[in-house]
Amino acid sequence: DTAVSQTPKYLVTQMGNDKSIKCEQNLGHDTMYWYKQDSKKFLKIMFSYNNKELIINETVPNRFSPKSPDKAHLNLHINSLELGDSAVYFCASRQGADYGYTFGSGTRLTVV
Amino acid sequence: KQEVTQIPAALSVPEGENLVLNCSFTDSAIYNLQWFRQDPGKGLTSLLLIQSSQREQTSGRLNASLDKSSGRSTLYIAASQPGDSATYLCAVFYGGSQGNLIFGKGTKLSVKP
Repeated sequence: DTAVSQTPKYLVTQMGNDKSIKCEQNLGHDTMYWYKQDSKKFLKIMFSYNNKELIINETVPNRFSPKSPDKAHLNLHINSLELGDSAVYFCASRQGADYGYTFGSGTRLTVV
Repeated sequence: KQEVTQIPAALSVPEGENLVLNCSFTDSAIYNLQWFRQDPGKGLTSLLLIQSSQREQTSGRLNASLDKSSGRSTLYIAASQPGDSATYLCAVFYGGSQGNLIFGKGTKLSVKP
């Protein structure tokens, strides 16, 4: 199936830990994104990345860092996790500005 | 500031009704607009994409319209079914290198059998 895949689906971890969320797309899209959905279900951009440019939302703490080993993957690494990082994180991809976004199924992160 | 507002926040209708979900955006200089559906605990499923030059798009029982000048889009669902129950999200893209979608907070739809 052509899709955007995220792992893990659920992640429970303690404060202070470092964790990664993986994202892969087999759609051949040029650009990938990370979005955060907070407890009020509001979605906001965290990062956008293609093979030329990484753009970071200025409100994202520098404890969050995207890592892209290749065009089909954009992983999210989080250092020193805090309680407020608990949210659902969505990966997405898109071929270009004239095309719609395809989202993954999300990773529910719970920091205890 | 670019904002997207969806009204109502929640809607409950009996099965079979036709219904309209509303989306408004503060900056009318959009590039395109996308409607999504989100089921509880699930990801976002794209429903319709409307380019700024288009007035509407249709897919099955769904029809999305766009009035760019007034900063509005509507999602029309015909003959609603219980399986349509979900949260419907409107998202606007303004162009630019970041490719940032600006989301509304969604309309939670419940279709009663």
